[in-house]
Amino acid sequence: QAVVTQEPSLTVSPGGSVTLTCGSSTGAVTSGHYPYWFRQKPGQAPRTLIYDTTNKHSWTPARFSGSLLGGKAALTLSGAQPEDEAEYYCLLFYSGARVFGGGTKLTVL
Amino acid sequence: QVQLQQWGAGLLKPSETLSLTCAVYGGSFSGYYWSWIRRPPGKGLEWIGEISHSGSTYYSPSLKSRVTISLDTSKNQFSLKLSSVTAADTAIYYCARYGGDYWGQGTLVTVSS
Repeated sequence: QAVVTQEPSLTVSPGGSVTLTCGSSTGAVTSGHYPYWFRQKPGQAPRTLIYDTTNKHSWTPARFSGSLLGGKAALTLSGAQPEDEAEYYCLLFYSGARVFGGGTKLTVL
Repeated sequence: QVQLQQWGAGLLKPSETLSLTCAVYGGSFSGYYWSWIRRPPGKGLEWIGEISHSGSTYYSPSLKSRVTISLDTSKNQFSLKLSSVTAADTAIYYCARYGGDYWGQGTLVTVSS
């Protein structure tokens, strides 16, 4: 089974920008992995932020964007808010199965 | 507005079978994938598997031998069965149509003798 890697933790200042990445043990992440990004806060169900690499849901704040960057999927947050402090997970597609990354704990400080 | 409501036994003994059901309100099964995801305590999210509206199933390789996901279109429900559970299966289990950002409320399943 493929291993999906994310930064375990990142810190961003309020109003600052940060990029979270999502890599694959099988090689470069492409649009064919249909990357998803989720946010989960303590005690809550996950929320889907980004689907199919770049697409946002109606609720997704405009400060979030998805892309492919340097062979990885990337989630960029521009203008961090205190409420963005959470865990972020990516999900990649591999021939019928999907695999989550280990998650990134984002601190806004 | 689509809503997912899930239920099932929250306390199991080792070797028993986990069984959860998720009802879909306000939407159709057609054209979508319906998924089960879990989060063990102190760990990250784990994709368990999903089923298409036509009944095609896809499972995590690490759980494939123990997992069955099925759907009942007449009731707008889909279900998860996980056999031979151990303490490692203790987790919060979510049903979801995550492509549309629709999630169940989560069910804590504890496996303990």
